[in-house]
Amino acid sequence: AQSVTQLDSQVPVFEEAPVELRCNYSSSVSVYLFWYVQYPNQGLQLLLKYLSGSTLVKGINGFEAEFNKSQTSFHLRKPSVHISDTAEYFCAVINTGGFKTIFGAGTRLFVKA
Amino acid sequence: DTGVSQDPRHKITKRGQNVTFRCDPISEHNRLYWYRQTLGQGPEFLTYFQNEAQLEKSRLLSDRFSAERPKGSFSTLEIQRTEQGDSAMYLCASSPQVLPTDTQYFGPGTRLTVL
Repeated sequence: AQSVTQLDSQVPVFEEAPVELRCNYSSSVSVYLFWYVQYPNQGLQLLLKYLSGSTLVKGINGFEAEFNKSQTSFHLRKPSVHISDTAEYFCAVINTGGFKTIFGAGTRLFVKA
Repeated sequence: DTGVSQDPRHKITKRGQNVTFRCDPISEHNRLYWYRQTLGQGPEFLTYFQNEAQLEKSRLLSDRFSAERPKGSFSTLEIQRTEQGDSAMYLCASSPQVLPTDTQYFGPGTRLTVL
């Protein structure tokens, strides 16, 4: 069975500062990794995904994430955040043999002016 | 592309009543997923369809829950004899192809409150 742990439930940060949202996963098999964002009153949308190859993945809105197999982590980063990045961010995994997506509990990013 | 739509957006019901939610996926998307999201948690997988076939159902789903996708287009999720613990946001998502890595497009959700 797979599980996803998002280490911070809330992350407050000032505008234009860098941010890292942490995600660790547990799985006995290989997995695909995803980050989703949920803006207020909107549905979840995909930010980026890691399938294979380069461990650094770039996504939309200037976000990137790095897959670290030895540490079973997939942390999300952005070098300079905007007020509009205020949202809930979810890390998720799918094992390579299935279709069931397992989500973390989410991290609420709050960008302050 | 009008996106995934869900109806109703909000539903308030009394304990013991039956409720039904509808999801209209993006046109020609083969896969359709249902999730449940409670406050402070991420979405939990409930079930998914490949066209009209229901291929997997979570053990989280009791016998009171049933989902259908009769013509491989829209889907319904029914909850019978609702309980207060069923209060949650019910999310639907669709994806175009058959790979698990295909992007899932989520609807806005149906918020259920059981009194």
